[in-house]
Amino acid sequence: GAGVSQSPRYKVAKRGQDVALRCDPISGHVSLFWYQQALGQGPEFLTYFQNEAQLDKSGLPSDRFFAERPEGSVSTLKIQRTQQEDSAVYLCASSLEAGGPGETQYFGPGTRLLVL
Amino acid sequence: GQQVMQIPQYQHVQEGEDFTTYCNSSTTLSNIQWYKQRPGGHPVFLIQLVKSGEVKKQKRLTFQFGEAKKNSSLHITATQTTDVGTYFCAGPQGAQKLVFGQGTRLTINP
Repeated sequence: GAGVSQSPRYKVAKRGQDVALRCDPISGHVSLFWYQQALGQGPEFLTYFQNEAQLDKSGLPSDRFFAERPEGSVSTLKIQRTQQEDSAVYLCASSLEAGGPGETQYFGPGTRLLVL
Repeated sequence: GQQVMQIPQYQHVQEGEDFTTYCNSSTTLSNIQWYKQRPGGHPVFLIQLVKSGEVKKQKRLTFQFGEAKKNSSLHITATQTTDVGTYFCAGPQGAQKLVFGQGTRLTINP
């Protein structure tokens, strides 16, 4: 079946602009994760959903970042009043179960955000 | 909090040479996962190690998990140009969060 998809693939925003990044997980996957990957670095955890419930948002860097998954499938990561330091690749990943850290996570292609 | 460190940060080899990347965690891990990210691509799951001292092989790739479950290594025998990319290890923190190392970027001279 289809993998994790994300849109847009690329986004250029002016500083101060709001952006919304979309993630379509693999159908039926319970868990959904957002990561931020700066150039030359590993992915850094932002937030985690189990179905529609946001169980961990400890990685969100500021209150300008907001994520939702209202129906337990598609998720949106919103960044308000973007800053240059928000420039990064935003990766979404999903896993089949909510069975703990041993679950394999399947990553989407990412959205490359550039804030000018 | 938990930290996962990888060395080296970069490795350039001639095609056919071996390659090894090392991963160290500041805390004991319940498991460790390895991912590969091709240039311009996204992380792709390679393998998970769970048991102390575990060794797993995938063709030319050999993965090891240390006895203390705090370190791991990935060894590639006789590299090929298709092996180019960045290799990440990741360990769980808490119920679901994965903490990634900074990765080892492998480039190969054909």
